[in-house]
Amino acid sequence: DGGITQSPKYLFRKEGQNVTLSCEQNLNHDAMYWYRQDPGQGLRLIYYSQIVNDFQKGDIAEGYSVSREKKESFPLTVTSAQKNPTAFYLCASSPTSGRRGTDTQYFGPGTRLTVL
Amino acid sequence: AQSVTQPDIHITVSEGASLELRCNYSYGATPYLFWYVQSPGQGLQLLLKYFSGDTLVQGIKGFEAEFKRSQSSFNLRKPSVHWSDAAEYFCAVVGGSGGGADGLTFGKGTHLIIQP
Repeated sequence: DGGITQSPKYLFRKEGQNVTLSCEQNLNHDAMYWYRQDPGQGLRLIYYSQIVNDFQKGDIAEGYSVSREKKESFPLTVTSAQKNPTAFYLCASSPTSGRRGTDTQYFGPGTRLTVL
Repeated sequence: AQSVTQPDIHITVSEGASLELRCNYSYGATPYLFWYVQSPGQGLQLLLKYFSGDTLVQGIKGFEAEFKRSQSSFNLRKPSVHWSDAAEYFCAVVGGSGGGADGLTFGKGTHLIIQP
């Protein structure tokens, strides 16, 4: 059963702690993405990776870090430097083609992070 | 920089009535456009996409969208809505507003309410 999994669904952390959100895909997709969603704000791109061992900053990368050691995994760490980390985090993946940007992105179910 | 505007934050439609959700984009080149739907607390599901060719695009669940270059619009339509269509709808264009060229830039979403 192919798809994208994110765990956990709900995550609570104390202010000042780093926290890592998991994203795994078994679709054999090359590209993976992290978005943040806030109420009334749509989704904003945090980081993306087109290939293993390579990733690029998106629009709001400050206070976040990622790694891409395996094709199927793209974990996101929310660091204590992120000023307002409480949000809904969505991971996505897409196959790559000769025409970059035309591949459909498929989304995971999301992780809701609450910082107390 | 790319941007997407969804002018309607909320729309209320009676079950069985027709629906049109508006989307306007700003993009320097030929846009790659998407409509996604999100149920509460869930990830995003692709409804349809436009890359090139026929400007009227058919999607899943009876939705369609029309690309109008002269109006920079990509409005989503459905001839007869069902109560299960109540959700948040997002329009997106390829290309991050901050330079994340392979991510998606999303509108802020339109919340669709279905009246019985």
